[in-house]
Amino acid sequence: NAGVTQTPKFRILKIGQSMTLQCAQDMNHNYMYWYRQDPGMGLKLIYYSVGAGITDKGEVPNGYNVSRSTTEDFPLRLELAAPSQTSVYFCASSFPSTGTEAFFGQGTRLTVV
Amino acid sequence: DAKTTQPNSMESNEEEPVHLPCNHSTISGTDYIHWYRQLPSQGPEYVIHGLTSNVNNRMASLAIAEDRKSSTLILHRATLRDAAVYYCILQNQAGTALIFGKGTTLSVSS
Repeated sequence: NAGVTQTPKFRILKIGQSMTLQCAQDMNHNYMYWYRQDPGMGLKLIYYSVGAGITDKGEVPNGYNVSRSTTEDFPLRLELAAPSQTSVYFCASSFPSTGTEAFFGQGTRLTVV
Repeated sequence: DAKTTQPNSMESNEEEPVHLPCNHSTISGTDYIHWYRQLPSQGPEYVIHGLTSNVNNRMASLAIAEDRKSSTLILHRATLRDAAVYYCILQNQAGTALIFGKGTTLSVSS
């Protein structure tokens, strides 16, 4: 049982490049989330999904896209990377019931130069 | 989403109890109170949650005021490993995503 696995752990992108941040969970959780955390700040919700084929915007969705074709995977796509997207990205998952625990991955540290 | 208010920072000595406060005066009757913490360079981890009654687990205790407008996370004996940012979060009945604030940075001295 690996929990929530994020890849890569680190990445440097040039302005204008694109990339996909991978997130996989093996707990059969319906809900999955993407957050970003800028230095010294709390986490901001980018997108979330309540199940395969269903996604919705969070607090800061601009510049990102997501898809959810399986229960296990929830990739985050960055198109045309900008320096403002330099951040640490966290993926999380949980069961749909209110009051249950969310599990977080270890994060992907992304730098856009 | 209902908002929470936490002190920016707190300090503690090792092996002493720590009481981390959280105000949530606009909480609704169906909002759960969650606490997560984030150790340096790691993702957040679940600490405890509750609805109305006080809760205990192996990590901490959660004391919820009778009117539910505030709560306190209690670490019974702080260790150096407890130095982290602690987030108090409300989650509504719809089970939507956790919305994080800035949290409280806890420092623990030996």
